[in-house]
Amino acid sequence: SAVISQKPSRDICQRGTSLTIQCQVDSQVTMMFWYRQQPGQSLTLIATANQGSEATYESGFVIDKFPISRPNLTFSTLTVSNMSPEDSSIYLCSVATDYNQPQHFGDGTRLSIL
Amino acid sequence: QQQVKQSPQSLIVQKGGIPIINCAYENTAFDYFPWYQQFPGKGPALLIAIRPDVSEKKEGRFTISFNKSAKQFSLHIMDSQPGDSATYFCAAINSGSARQLTFGSGTQLTVLP
Repeated sequence: SAVISQKPSRDICQRGTSLTIQCQVDSQVTMMFWYRQQPGQSLTLIATANQGSEATYESGFVIDKFPISRPNLTFSTLTVSNMSPEDSSIYLCSVATDYNQPQHFGDGTRLSIL
Repeated sequence: QQQVKQSPQSLIVQKGGIPIINCAYENTAFDYFPWYQQFPGKGPALLIAIRPDVSEKKEGRFTISFNKSAKQFSLHIMDSQPGDSATYFCAAINSGSARQLTFGSGTQLTVLP
């Protein structure tokens, strides 16, 4: 399966700032997704990152708060904007090499907001 | 609305036991059911998956049983080991919906030595 690298692996940020999380894959993938996981909880899909077009956001998530870029088939970024303590969570990138292939996850970015 | 219900929330077994984790779904459009294993500090790792035209699938010590009419599926771990202690998530995909994963709530498994 594809090797997925997320950066940073963890960060502690101040309220009101923004952080950009990177997801790099070692091979071209058709689909890339961003999830949020509260500690001890399940995963919630934030958005599907579409190459060359705007991301598709799930209910409860908006582009102004979580802008996403996907400039090519191996890279995507998620920005968490104007952070508040409620944004403290684990943010995970997942990829699928094709539409009929399973999703594989990176190890996530552990984000704490002070 | 939770579309995949998972139970139990936590499970403790002795080494060698057979923990069973159950999931039930509502959306009959789901057509692919993966299980993920997650260790602390790591992302979920695909463990095993099944399609609804198959009633059972085995990979090593892990077995999925699938009951399409009841809309239920379960994970069995044979001869469980302390190294199997992790959080397990069932999930479901509707291929017609951009292949978005819908996750269960997770089961924290502890295998005692």
